[in-house]
Amino acid sequence: KQEVTQIPAALSVPEGENLVLNCSFTDSAIYNLQWFRQDPGKGLTSLLLIQSSQREQTSGRLNASLDKSSGRSTLYIAASQPGDSATYLCAVNDNAGNMLTFGGGTRLMVKP
Amino acid sequence: KAGVTQTPRYLIKTRGQQVTLSCSPISGHRSVSWYQQTPGQGLQFLFEYFSETQRNKGNFPGRFSGRQFSNSRSEMNVSTLELGDSALYLCASSFSSGGAWQETQYFGPGTRLLVL
Repeated sequence: KQEVTQIPAALSVPEGENLVLNCSFTDSAIYNLQWFRQDPGKGLTSLLLIQSSQREQTSGRLNASLDKSSGRSTLYIAASQPGDSATYLCAVNDNAGNMLTFGGGTRLMVKP
Repeated sequence: KAGVTQTPRYLIKTRGQQVTLSCSPISGHRSVSWYQQTPGQGLQFLFEYFSETQRNKGNFPGRFSGRQFSNSRSEMNVSTLELGDSALYLCASSFSSGGAWQETQYFGPGTRLLVL
Protein backbone atom coordinates (compact mmCIF):
# COMPACT_ATOMS: atom_id res chain seq x y z
CA LYS A 1 0.00 0.00 0.00
CA GLN A 2 1.41 3.38 -1.03
CA GLU A 3 2.28 5.76 1.78
CA VAL A 4 3.24 9.40 1.25
CA THR A 5 5.06 11.43 3.88
CA GLN A 6 5.77 15.15 3.92
CA ILE A 7 8.43 16.80 6.01
CA PRO A 8 8.32 19.20 7.73
CA ALA A 9 4.69 19.32 8.87
CA ALA A 10 4.98 23.06 9.44
CA LEU A 11 7.44 25.73 8.43
CA SER A 12 7.74 29.42 9.22
CA VAL A 13 10.19 31.57 7.27
CA PRO A 14 10.82 35.31 6.75
CA GLU A 15 9.85 36.82 3.44
CA GLY A 16 12.43 36.48 0.69
CA GLU A 17 13.87 33.14 1.77
CA ASN A 18 14.27 30.24 -0.61
CA LEU A 19 12.78 27.06 0.80
CA VAL A 20 12.42 23.36 0.10
CA LEU A 21 9.48 21.13 0.93
CA ASN A 22 9.99 17.38 0.96
CA CYS A 23 7.78 14.50 -0.07
CA SER A 24 8.59 10.79 0.07
CA PHE A 25 6.63 7.77 -1.10
CA THR A 26 7.08 4.08 -0.41
CA ASP A 27 6.25 2.49 -3.77
CA SER A 28 8.34 3.87 -6.64
CA ALA A 29 6.04 2.42 -9.34
CA ILE A 30 4.15 5.66 -9.86
CA TYR A 31 2.67 7.24 -12.98
CA ASN A 32 3.01 10.82 -11.80
CA LEU A 33 3.36 13.08 -8.79
CA GLN A 34 1.44 16.28 -8.29
CA TRP A 35 1.99 19.22 -5.95
CA PHE A 36 -1.01 21.19 -4.71
CA ARG A 37 -1.62 24.25 -2.63
CA GLN A 38 -4.56 24.56 -0.24
CA ASP A 39 -5.64 27.79 1.43
CA PRO A 40 -7.62 27.49 4.69
CA GLY A 41 -11.12 26.13 4.12
CA LYS A 42 -10.64 26.02 0.37
CA GLY A 43 -10.14 23.42 -2.33
CA LEU A 44 -6.82 22.39 -3.84
CA THR A 45 -4.97 24.35 -6.51
CA SER A 46 -2.68 22.34 -8.77
CA LEU A 47 0.86 23.72 -8.86
CA LEU A 48 2.95 21.22 -10.79
CA LEU A 49 2.58 17.74 -12.27
CA ILE A 50 5.65 15.57 -12.86
CA GLN A 51 5.29 12.49 -15.02
CA SER A 52 7.21 9.39 -13.94
CA SER A 53 9.60 9.82 -16.89
CA GLN A 54 10.46 13.41 -15.94
CA ARG A 55 13.01 14.69 -13.45
CA GLU A 56 11.63 18.17 -12.81
CA GLN A 57 9.03 20.77 -13.67
CA THR A 58 9.14 24.53 -13.26
CA SER A 59 6.47 27.17 -13.01
CA GLY A 60 7.49 30.70 -12.12
CA ARG A 61 9.17 30.66 -8.70
CA LEU A 62 8.32 27.00 -8.19
CA ASN A 63 10.48 24.05 -9.15
CA ALA A 64 9.57 20.45 -8.40
CA SER A 65 11.95 17.54 -8.78
CA LEU A 66 11.30 13.82 -8.80
CA ASP A 67 13.65 10.97 -7.97
CA LYS A 68 11.45 7.97 -8.55
CA SER A 69 14.05 5.36 -7.67
CA SER A 70 14.55 6.79 -4.19
CA GLY A 71 10.87 7.65 -3.74
CA ARG A 72 11.41 11.36 -3.23
CA SER A 73 10.20 14.68 -4.56
CA THR A 74 11.04 18.22 -3.52
CA LEU A 75 9.23 21.48 -4.11
CA TYR A 76 11.54 24.47 -4.23
CA ILE A 77 10.02 27.91 -3.70
CA ALA A 78 12.27 30.83 -4.59
CA ALA A 79 12.07 34.26 -2.97
CA SER A 80 9.09 33.39 -0.77
CA GLN A 81 6.30 35.93 -0.29
CA PRO A 82 3.54 36.26 2.34
CA GLY A 83 1.05 35.23 -0.35
CA ASP A 84 2.77 31.83 -0.49
CA SER A 85 1.43 31.05 2.99
CA ALA A 86 -0.74 27.96 2.63
CA THR A 87 -0.64 24.19 3.06
CA TYR A 88 1.31 22.37 0.37
CA LEU A 89 0.32 18.82 -0.47
CA CYS A 90 2.00 16.24 -2.64
CA ALA A 91 0.11 13.33 -4.13
CA VAL A 92 1.13 10.30 -6.19
CA ASN A 93 -0.85 8.44 -8.80
CA ASP A 94 0.22 4.82 -8.90
CA ASN A 95 -2.64 2.99 -10.49
CA ALA A 96 -4.71 2.80 -13.64
CA GLY A 97 -6.99 5.71 -13.05
CA ASN A 98 -7.04 9.01 -11.23
CA MET A 99 -6.65 7.75 -7.68
CA LEU A 100 -4.28 9.98 -5.75
CA THR A 101 -2.57 9.12 -2.48
CA PHE A 102 -1.83 12.29 -0.52
CA GLY A 103 0.77 13.21 2.02
CA GLY A 104 -0.20 14.98 5.21
CA GLY A 105 0.92 18.35 3.90
CA THR A 106 3.36 21.06 4.96
CA ARG A 107 1.80 24.16 6.48
CA LEU A 108 3.90 27.12 5.35
CA MET A 109 3.84 30.58 6.86
CA VAL A 110 5.87 33.36 5.25
CA LYS A 111 6.26 36.34 7.56
CA PRO A 112 6.53 39.89 6.14
CA LYS B 1 -13.44 28.04 -18.94
CA ALA B 2 -15.36 27.51 -15.72
CA GLY B 3 -13.70 25.45 -13.00
CA VAL B 4 -15.03 22.50 -11.07
CA THR B 5 -18.16 23.43 -9.16
CA GLN B 6 -19.64 21.71 -6.15
CA THR B 7 -23.02 22.13 -4.53
CA PRO B 8 -23.98 22.76 -1.87
CA ARG B 9 -20.98 24.44 -0.30
CA TYR B 10 -22.14 23.86 3.27
CA LEU B 11 -24.46 21.31 4.76
CA ILE B 12 -25.64 20.44 8.26
CA LYS B 13 -27.27 17.07 8.87
CA THR B 14 -28.10 14.90 11.86
CA ARG B 15 -26.99 11.36 12.53
CA GLY B 16 -28.93 8.76 10.60
CA GLN B 17 -29.88 11.06 7.74
CA GLN B 18 -28.59 10.74 4.22
CA VAL B 19 -26.99 13.37 2.02
CA THR B 20 -26.30 13.88 -1.69
CA LEU B 21 -23.47 16.06 -2.92
CA SER B 22 -23.06 17.23 -6.50
CA CYS B 23 -20.02 17.94 -8.66
CA SER B 24 -19.87 19.50 -12.12
CA PRO B 25 -16.50 18.93 -13.79
CA ILE B 26 -14.68 21.27 -16.13
CA SER B 27 -16.31 21.20 -19.56
CA GLY B 28 -14.90 18.31 -21.59
CA HIS B 29 -13.49 16.44 -18.61
CA ARG B 30 -14.66 12.85 -18.37
CA SER B 31 -13.11 11.68 -15.12
CA VAL B 32 -14.48 12.75 -11.74
CA SER B 33 -12.93 11.66 -8.44
CA TRP B 34 -14.15 12.23 -4.90
CA TYR B 35 -12.05 12.73 -1.76
CA GLN B 36 -12.78 13.15 1.93
CA GLN B 37 -10.63 15.52 3.98
CA THR B 38 -10.59 15.45 7.77
CA PRO B 39 -8.08 16.88 10.27
CA GLY B 40 -7.27 13.40 11.57
CA GLN B 41 -7.05 11.35 8.37
CA GLY B 42 -6.10 14.00 5.84
CA LEU B 43 -7.19 13.55 2.24
CA GLN B 44 -8.54 10.11 1.40
CA PHE B 45 -9.75 8.81 -1.94
CA LEU B 46 -13.39 7.74 -2.12
CA PHE B 47 -14.02 6.75 -5.74
CA GLU B 48 -13.48 7.73 -9.36
CA TYR B 49 -15.93 7.70 -12.25
CA PHE B 50 -15.06 7.70 -15.92
CA SER B 51 -17.66 7.58 -18.68
CA GLU B 52 -20.41 6.76 -16.17
CA THR B 53 -18.50 3.77 -14.77
CA GLN B 54 -16.78 3.49 -11.42
CA ARG B 55 -13.11 2.96 -12.26
CA ASN B 56 -11.59 2.96 -8.78
CA LYS B 57 -12.87 2.72 -5.23
CA GLY B 58 -11.19 3.57 -1.94
CA ASN B 59 -11.56 1.88 1.43
CA PHE B 60 -14.82 3.36 2.59
CA PRO B 61 -17.94 1.53 3.77
CA GLY B 62 -20.85 0.84 1.45
CA ARG B 63 -22.72 3.81 2.95
CA PHE B 64 -20.67 5.91 0.56
CA SER B 65 -21.80 5.62 -3.04
CA GLY B 66 -21.65 7.65 -6.19
CA ARG B 67 -22.67 7.87 -9.78
CA GLN B 68 -21.87 9.78 -12.93
CA PHE B 69 -24.27 11.02 -15.55
CA SER B 70 -23.87 11.15 -19.30
CA ASN B 71 -22.85 14.83 -19.12
CA SER B 72 -20.02 13.81 -16.71
CA ARG B 73 -21.64 15.48 -13.71
CA SER B 74 -21.30 13.32 -10.63
CA GLU B 75 -23.10 12.85 -7.35
CA MET B 76 -22.03 11.13 -4.18
CA ASN B 77 -24.41 9.88 -1.55
CA VAL B 78 -23.79 9.07 2.08
CA SER B 79 -26.51 7.14 3.86
CA THR B 80 -27.05 6.69 7.59
CA LEU B 81 -24.75 9.56 8.48
CA GLU B 82 -22.35 9.20 11.41
CA LEU B 83 -20.60 11.92 13.39
CA GLY B 84 -17.31 10.83 11.83
CA ASP B 85 -18.60 11.67 8.36
CA SER B 86 -18.16 15.36 9.15
CA ALA B 87 -15.55 16.48 6.66
CA LEU B 88 -14.73 18.55 3.61
CA TYR B 89 -15.71 16.56 0.51
CA LEU B 90 -13.73 17.47 -2.57
CA CYS B 91 -14.23 16.42 -6.13
CA ALA B 92 -11.66 16.62 -8.88
CA SER B 93 -11.91 16.32 -12.64
CA SER B 94 -9.46 15.53 -15.40
CA PHE B 95 -9.66 15.15 -19.15
CA SER B 96 -8.57 11.50 -19.36
CA SER B 97 -8.50 11.45 -23.14
CA GLY B 98 -8.76 7.95 -24.55
CA GLY B 99 -8.75 6.55 -21.03
CA ALA B 100 -5.31 7.98 -20.23
CA TRP B 101 -4.79 9.03 -16.66
CA GLN B 102 -1.47 10.82 -16.51
CA GLU B 103 -3.03 14.21 -16.31
CA THR B 104 -3.50 17.08 -13.94
CA GLN B 105 -6.49 16.84 -11.66
CA TYR B 106 -8.44 20.02 -10.96
CA PHE B 107 -10.26 20.32 -7.67
CA GLY B 108 -13.47 22.07 -6.76
CA PRO B 109 -13.94 24.25 -3.64
CA GLY B 110 -15.50 21.38 -1.70
CA THR B 111 -18.66 20.77 0.28
CA ARG B 112 -18.28 21.08 4.04
CA LEU B 113 -20.56 18.59 5.78
CA LEU B 114 -21.28 18.82 9.48
CA VAL B 115 -23.10 15.90 11.11
CA LEU B 116 -24.70 16.64 14.48
